[in-house]
Amino acid sequence: RKEVEQDPGPFNVPEGATVAFNCTYSNSASQSFFWYRQDCRKEPKLLMSVYSSGNEDGRFTAQLNRASQYISLLIRDSKLSDSATYLCVVRLDTGRRALTFGSGTRLQVQP
Amino acid sequence: GAGVSQTPSNKVTEKGKYVELRCDPISGHTALYWYRQSLGQGPEFLIYFQGTGAADDSGLPNDRFFAVRPEGSVSTLKIQRTERGDSAVYLCASSLGTGSEAFFGQGTRLTVV
Repeated sequence: RKEVEQDPGPFNVPEGATVAFNCTYSNSASQSFFWYRQDCRKEPKLLMSVYSSGNEDGRFTAQLNRASQYISLLIRDSKLSDSATYLCVVRLDTGRRALTFGSGTRLQVQP
Repeated sequence: GAGVSQTPSNKVTEKGKYVELRCDPISGHTALYWYRQSLGQGPEFLIYFQGTGAADDSGLPNDRFFAVRPEGSVSTLKIQRTERGDSAVYLCASSLGTGSEAFFGQGTRLTVV
């Protein structure tokens, strides 16, 4: 079983739509959680950290459910420029400190 | 520039050859990570340095892969006897510390023919 699992998509949505991505992680010792965005043939970039209480950054809302080991990302009012792959990322705070990535969910926003 | 720099950006090599991939982290970043990414997959962890030492090399797939960071700044990933399965984008990232945001370089696209 992969440490971080995501639906690969693609999610094809019209501009202005609301779209949600989910992710599950297997290691209950995971302590830090992130969403990264990766454009085609580019490097991953941090989109937002995910906090236990949930957090929002403009049109983006991230939620964490530790009991279910589940993370979500909600994008409201989708823009064409949101088209990218969204990577769910976790990190242990002991042992392996490096980031562990999911395979990513591809989003295509259509005009 | 001020970002993570990786060279070369592209490398084509013949099966069985030796390659070196270089990563120049952001100045002052003590943590450095190597990942590789195959098409349609997320980055896969290879090795992580804290300063000059490899704090975790558990992601290196076999003993053909080796990485160094002798002065705690630039790092080199070395691959011996390359195989076609080594073809991927090799990504380097750095951060101020292990709990800080990691910034990625644009990667080296390695093709083994």
